[in-house]
Amino acid sequence: AQKITQTQPGMFVQEKEAVTLDCTYDTSDQSYGLFWYKQPSSGEMIFLIYQGSYDEQNATEGRYSLNFQKARKSANLVISASQLGDSAMYFCAMRGIGGASKIIFGSGTRLSIRP
Amino acid sequence: ETGVTQTPRHLVMGMTNKKSLKCEQHLGHNAMYWYKQSAKKPLELMFVYSLEERVENNSVPSRFSPECPNSSHLFLHLHTLQPEDSALYLCASSQDPLGSRNEQFFGPGTRLTVL
Repeated sequence: AQKITQTQPGMFVQEKEAVTLDCTYDTSDQSYGLFWYKQPSSGEMIFLIYQGSYDEQNATEGRYSLNFQKARKSANLVISASQLGDSAMYFCAMRGIGGASKIIFGSGTRLSIRP
Repeated sequence: ETGVTQTPRHLVMGMTNKKSLKCEQHLGHNAMYWYKQSAKKPLELMFVYSLEERVENNSVPSRFSPECPNSSHLFLHLHTLQPEDSALYLCASSQDPLGSRNEQFFGPGTRLTVL
């Protein structure tokens, strides 16, 4: 069975510091994709970054990077130079092959940025 | 309008009411999704439509009835709901429901309260 685990229910970080949000996963699929989404208090889920299981390099999108360690089955999100607008819920998600029902989300981490 | 829109943003209904949630995507995508987000629970996939055909139904009670008249519109018809159905209902769309990447773009959600 597939599973996503986010062990940090909440985090506080000082503005301009870097922050790492943890995500571990479990799957028997050989090919899969890992996603991070941001959900501000307004409710919508905003796609941040994607990592394919066969991608050799860690994904980066602006201030976001994904620290992908396949052997450890971890896909941590790193936000550099945090900003007040980064305060939100962050969800890690995984998709296997062959069916949309295999998209599963973690329980999320609430990130709060202190000025 | 751009992206994915949802109406209404907030809905309060009694258990005997019938109401509908509407979702519209302006991205030219082929697949649309309904998710339920309850407090303190991970995001739950409810329904998936690909090219207007329902391809996934994750054991959702029959009091939730989806409808996809075309690739841009998705409805969720509600009747005789229970208080535990109160949640944020998110709609999403994606280009390729079977591709390994398949990042989904979400609407702002409908906050539903069942009295």
